[in-house]
Order: sequence, then structure tokens, then C-alpha cells
Amino acid sequence: GAVVSQHPSWVICKSGTSVKIECRSLDFQATTMFWYRQFPKQSLMLMATSNEGSKATYEQGVEKDKFLINHASLTLSTLTVTSAHPEDSSFYICSALGGSNYGYTFGSGTRLTVV
Amino acid sequence: GENVEQHPSTLSVQEGDSAVIKCTYSDSASNYFPWYKQELGKRPQLIIDIRSNVGEKKDQRIAVTLNKTAKHFSLHITETQPEDSAVYFCAAPYGGSQGNLIFGKGTKLSVKP
Repeated sequence: GAVVSQHPSWVICKSGTSVKIECRSLDFQATTMFWYRQFPKQSLMLMATSNEGSKATYEQGVEKDKFLINHASLTLSTLTVTSAHPEDSSFYICSALGGSNYGYTFGSGTRLTVV
Repeated sequence: GENVEQHPSTLSVQEGDSAVIKCTYSDSASNYFPWYKQELGKRPQLIIDIRSNVGEKKDQRIAVTLNKTAKHFSLHITETQPEDSAVYFCAAPYGGSQGNLIFGKGTKLSVKP
């Protein structure tokens, strides 16, 4: 079946630094990848949609200059949280379109803690 | 855009009873409706889904029903077990089956032994 690998699974960083999260589709080509953020006890909130070779489409209220998304190949999308602040601490999870399960396959998520 | 409403936010049932979670959506173009189970700190796991060309789908103790006219779909879990305790999310894509997946706010299901 379709597998999406997400790294790192957890990261702690200092305020003001940047963190890069990778999302890879291991056995299929992902034409589209989605990035979600989930705060404790809340639902998954769509941040942005990325298509290979083009600029990401950001949801309202998500700062594109703070959350940089790159989808350089059909198997890799990255999310970089720039100048991280404690309020950016959250669970970030990607989803790739193009595999089984009718298209949506989730990564394992990244727990980001900014101190 | 798509607006997905999910109810209830919490649900507590006795082991062996049935649980029903309901969702409504707004985008009439949506034609794919998945349900996910998420345990704490883990990725959502697809448990069942339905496409708009059918009204009901069943997989052992889990079933999903869809009323496309009313724009609502429901998750039914029968003979609940303690291991069914988790947060359940419904979702619907905006703009067809290949669109952005928009999630409901989730239902925390607790099954008491």
C-alpha cells in the first residue's frame, strides 16, 4: 500500500530558529501534498496545498513567508517553519495524494516544540 | 469553500452499545467522504469511506451512511469495545474527490467497560 514518511517525528528548537520538516511518498508519486497543523485536542487544520513544481496555495490566515513549502519532486515536499515562536508549537502532519486509500495518505506527523 | 460540521464533540457509551457520529458538509461537489480514527499523538487512520454513488457501506462493526441530498453522512459503530475509544474525524474534499481534505472538529469517543 501507499506509504508516506515524515521526518523528524519530533523536534525541539529555540525561538527564532528555523525547522524543516520532510514528507516523502515512498512507493508512489504524489501529485499533491497537503500540510496540516493540529493543536492539542483540536482538529487538523489545513495550512497549505502544494503541487509539484509550482507554488503552494496557502489557506487564509497562514503566513506563507513564515511557513515555507517546497515541492520540488513528485516524492518530496518540505515545510520550513521560519523564525519559530512558542505559539508555533504544534503537531504538523502531511498528506499525499496519489496512492491507495482513494488518494489520501498521511505521514506520521511531527511534534514541534519551540522553547 | 468546504465547511464540515461534526457532532457530537464527545460521546460516551457503554461497551457493547452502538455509537453514531454525524457530519454535514457544504460543498455539493464533494463526492468522497472518509472517516478517520486518531489516537493521541498519532496520524489519522482511515477506517472507512464512502463515495457519493452509494448510500451505505459497511465493514464489520463499522458502517457509513450518506445522504447527498441533505449533505450529511454518519459513522455507525456497533458492539463497541474499549479499544474503539479514540478521536474520530469526518472529512470532505473541497472541489471533488481530489481536492483539499477538510476535517470536522472531531468526536472523542469513550467506551466504558
